[in-house]
Amino acid sequence: EPEVTQTPSHQVTQMGQEVILRCVPISNHLYFYWYRQILGQKVEFLVSFYNNEISEKSEIFDDQFSVERPDGSNFTLKIRSTKLEDSAMYFCASLLLDRDGANVLTFGAGSRLTVL
Amino acid sequence: AQKITQTQPGMFVQEKEAVTLDCTYDTSDPSYGLFWYKQPSSGEMIFLIYQGSYDQQNATEGRYSLNFQKARKSANLVISASQLGDSAMYFCAMREGWYSGAGSYQLTFGKGTKLSVIP
Repeated sequence: EPEVTQTPSHQVTQMGQEVILRCVPISNHLYFYWYRQILGQKVEFLVSFYNNEISEKSEIFDDQFSVERPDGSNFTLKIRSTKLEDSAMYFCASLLLDRDGANVLTFGAGSRLTVL
Repeated sequence: AQKITQTQPGMFVQEKEAVTLDCTYDTSDPSYGLFWYKQPSSGEMIFLIYQGSYDQQNATEGRYSLNFQKARKSANLVISASQLGDSAMYFCAMREGWYSGAGSYQLTFGKGTKLSVIP
């Protein structure tokens, strides 16, 4: 079963530090996403990415966040200067769009970020 | 207004019994999809079942079925013959609008229901 892999599984960082979360989507998928889940809360959309550019982003995705796909396989989320409120589980997801299908997002196992 | 409402923060069910997890949704778009995901304590999000707004029949996937009542805007998940491994958080999510671009493929999630299966 193809899967989305995320690294690291858990990262602890000091406030103000830069963090990069990495994702390897399913190889033939073309659409990539980051979602966030603050502990005990619901999963929230951050950003979608297609054809090497951002398709859509939420209000959460401010100038401190950036995404890129530097080498055609990894899909990264960078937080430039972390804040305490960035502590959350970050999920990467990918999609192979099928106009006739259910188009189910496949999520990775998540990267838990703890900002101290 | 909440787009996805899950009114049961926690549920208990006896092993081998069936359980229904509630989900109501709010959209004015005639084209939408409803999803259920399972999140075990390890944290990953596991897709369980999908129902499209135009699907005539309720979706089923093994022990999971979706009780889709379009007029009531509800999409309850039914788990038959509960197993200990079913203990997890369950999230209902919705995609609004027919596909018009990758960026519009956003899922809106509910707050989840924590299911505990008792031996």
